[in-house]
Amino acid sequence: DAKTTQPPSMDCAEGRAANLPCNHSTISGNEYVYWYRQIHSQGPQYIIHGLKNNETNEMASLIITEDRKSSTLILPHATLRDTAVYYCIVRLNNAGNMLTFGGGTRLMVKP
Amino acid sequence: ETGVTQSPTHLIKTRGQQVTLRCSSQSGHNTVSWYQQALGQGPQFIFQYYREEENGRGNFPPRFSGLQFPNYSSELNVNALELDDSALYLCASSLQGLETQYFGPGTRLLVL
Repeated sequence: DAKTTQPPSMDCAEGRAANLPCNHSTISGNEYVYWYRQIHSQGPQYIIHGLKNNETNEMASLIITEDRKSSTLILPHATLRDTAVYYCIVRLNNAGNMLTFGGGTRLMVKP
Repeated sequence: ETGVTQSPTHLIKTRGQQVTLRCSSQSGHNTVSWYQQALGQGPQFIFQYYREEENGRGNFPPRFSGLQFPNYSSELNVNALELDDSALYLCASSLQGLETQYFGPGTRLLVL
């Protein structure tokens, strides 16, 4: 699976959009971009994933660049409960199903 | 729809002992993966079970073993516990063919 690079930490004001970047310059054509988050001492929570097109669900939007070498997770109106470590993971969508977690980005949402 | 559940929530063992952790997969999911998360680090893949067989394994020694039952629930067994086995153990379930994994709350193991 391709490696990802994320900033170790970011701050965001409550109510503002949080934009979390991820670089995955070695991604291959059939690898997906997944985002999970982990609130302190809880299990990771699935947020969103995509292959080429931008994706949106009730939690977030995922913007993938045309060359697929980077992506941005957008939380449109961050709340204090969004404070967590956010992991960007690139992986093949096949059997074996392993997720390789890097260091992630620690997002702190401030009042 | 029932989410992934794990038991126990916390556990304290001493070095050399054996431990069994349990996981019930989300309703309809037939695949279970186990991860170890040491303090301050991201989760590390231990192994995955599908149709009661091990379907992939990370870089963990054989004293880490598992089982999957016909109802898709799973156990993680660790023998000869070491201090470094202290960690949060996470179980994730998925449906083979639909690869998104959903995690349980984890079991926090402390080895003294």
